[in-house]
Amino acid sequence: QVQLQESGPGLVKPSQTLSLTCSVSGGSISSGSHYWNWIRQPAGKGLEWLGRVYSRGSANYNPSLASRVIISVDTSMNQVSLNLLSVTAADTAVYYCARGGPGFSNWFDRWGQGTLVIVSS
Amino acid sequence: DIQMTQSPSSLSASVGDRVTITCRASQTITTYLNWYQQKPGKAPELLIYKASSLQSGVPSRFSGSGSGTDFTLTISSLQPEDFATYYCQQGHSAPLTFGGGTKVDIK
Repeated sequence: QVQLQESGPGLVKPSQTLSLTCSVSGGSISSGSHYWNWIRQPAGKGLEWLGRVYSRGSANYNPSLASRVIISVDTSMNQVSLNLLSVTAADTAVYYCARGGPGFSNWFDRWGQGTLVIVSS
Repeated sequence: DIQMTQSPSSLSASVGDRVTITCRASQTITTYLNWYQQKPGKAPELLIYKASSLQSGVPSRFSGSGSGTDFTLTISSLQPEDFATYYCQQGHSAPLTFGGGTKVDIK
């Protein structure tokens, strides 16, 4: 059973870079045909897809954030990373990593438990 | 971007009730529509993919239907563990987008 676990700082200062890692266990990022996604959810609000990456490194981003977001994969560590540049208070949210469905399907069949990131000085 | 609109935004129901949640896309998405359940403090869980396919392990009281722009999630007999927020999500084209959610609480 594939499991995902997000990690990273819970507090980031405005204008700095938010950096999170998603560690995948129970399966290899390189095996199968899955996208690896980042999704966030501000407190009490809905879900926003940030972007996705494939094991060979090709990434797609939400245009609303494309100039600030970088998603990468480290197959040797079986990890997916999120970097969000120049953060503001509006980036405060729970951040989830999620595996896409088989065959590069655009649904999310495995989720991490999420990690809360607060942007504040 | 494809906008997803869910209705209602919240509803109150009793155990045993039949519950229906609707989701409308701003343009046709054929059957690329997925449904998730989220409980407080937890990550969402996939219930239905491609409009009507039940994810493995999900109880059969959950069902989905629809195509084009209009979709429905139905819970045939609401159970205590079903009180949660439900989200639809379109998988037709990036950026992938979600509906605003429907909170189902106890009447």
